[in-house]
Amino acid sequence: EAQVTQNPRYLITVTGKKLTVTCSQNMNHEYMSWYRQDPGLGLRQIYYSMNVEVTDKGDVPEGYKVSRKEKRNFPLILESPSPNQTSLYFCASRRTSGGSGANVLTFGAGSRLTVL
Amino acid sequence: DAKTTQPTSMDCAEGRAANLPCNHSTISGNEYVYWYRQIHSQGPQYIIHGLKNNETNEMASLIITEDRKSSTLILPHATLRDTAVYYCIVRVAFFLNSNSGYALNFGKGTSLLVTP
Repeated sequence: EAQVTQNPRYLITVTGKKLTVTCSQNMNHEYMSWYRQDPGLGLRQIYYSMNVEVTDKGDVPEGYKVSRKEKRNFPLILESPSPNQTSLYFCASRRTSGGSGANVLTFGAGSRLTVL
Repeated sequence: DAKTTQPTSMDCAEGRAANLPCNHSTISGNEYVYWYRQIHSQGPQYIIHGLKNNETNEMASLIITEDRKSSTLILPHATLRDTAVYYCIVRVAFFLNSNSGYALNFGKGTSLLVTP
């Protein structure tokens, strides 16, 4: 089954304790991205990657890092989490070729992060 | 990307057709209309997209007016599981070798409640 897998799905941590949210896709998609969703603010893009070793900032990159060493994986790293990073996080992927279908994002199930 | 306007919320009786409108009066000739939905706290799910012709798939139908300034997503026989937030997004297609990583703007969407 074509899917984007995120882990962990739920995490409670404390301020300053480094954590990584993993994301993996099995569709050979070139493009991957991370969004966060907060009440009243909607979905906001954190980082995206057009392909292996190519990453760029989205709208809200502060406090986050990413890496894209392999095509299928795009981990989100919080080096020193703070309470304002408490949010629902989604990883998504899509292909980058082929016209209108290349705007079809496949999302993961989400990771709910609480930073105390 | 062209701006879209959707009602904040709608109700629909189970088994009836749900018709979700979207206004995109500033749409350009090369912009497509995409629909996604998000069931409570799950990852957004792609539904359908179109340029100017009406489209139908196993999930829904998309009706785009002749002037392309508005569209309607139709769920022909709504079920309780269709209760979700529905997002209408207008976007140019990504073509081969596109370097754009811009995020899709999900906006606030329409909260559809399907009732028994």
